[in-house]
Amino acid sequence: SQKIEQNSEALNIQEGKTATLTCNYTNYSPAYLQWYRQDPGRGPVFLLLIRENEKEKRKERLKVTFDTTLKQSLFHITASQPADSATYLCALAPYSGGYNKLIFGAGTRLAVHP
Amino acid sequence: EAQVTQNPRYLITVTGKKLTVTCSQNMNHEYMSWYRQDPGLGLRQIYYSMNVEVTDKGDVPEGYKVSRKEKRNFPLILESPSPNQTSLYFCASSPYGGNRDNEQFFGPGTRLTVL
Repeated sequence: SQKIEQNSEALNIQEGKTATLTCNYTNYSPAYLQWYRQDPGRGPVFLLLIRENEKEKRKERLKVTFDTTLKQSLFHITASQPADSATYLCALAPYSGGYNKLIFGAGTRLAVHP
Repeated sequence: EAQVTQNPRYLITVTGKKLTVTCSQNMNHEYMSWYRQDPGLGLRQIYYSMNVEVTDKGDVPEGYKVSRKEKRNFPLILESPSPNQTSLYFCASSPYGGNRDNEQFFGPGTRLTVL
């Protein structure tokens, strides 16, 4: 069956450390993968997109990697701050959906402690 | 301000009473979509629309209808709501669908409870 999985347990880290979140998928061939941030009671906010032929993407303190062999994306936040505390969602666009469908993981909650 | 708006934000209703959740975007986006979010299941796509008069089913379309008569509006219709449609609903829009960067802009959400 097709699955996209993120660690359901919250990730607790100390301020200033690097947070690494994982997104694994099975039985999908994604054209690209996206990461979103969601704060409680709010809609998700787009952060980064990485295509299947890209290994890494960066934006300020954020870095995303994409390994289509391992079927995995890693999302890193360097020099983390308490304001980075939120739930982070990964989403992929499978070729089979004509890139129009977006399949989301359930998200990982990140808590950055001072 | 560029945004996606949804109304109502909160709704409590009873089984079988038809309801409509409105969604509007002011960014001239071609692509719009509806999702529901349930604990442990993440966001699941209900319907999406590539442009005016073009709609298609997502992964969980049963019990829902949509229409896209104008580019800016994409209402979600529940003809006969049931308790299993109790959920948090999000509308989203994107400049384009298809093989392009498909960054989605989400609305604030509508929390629906069906008794």
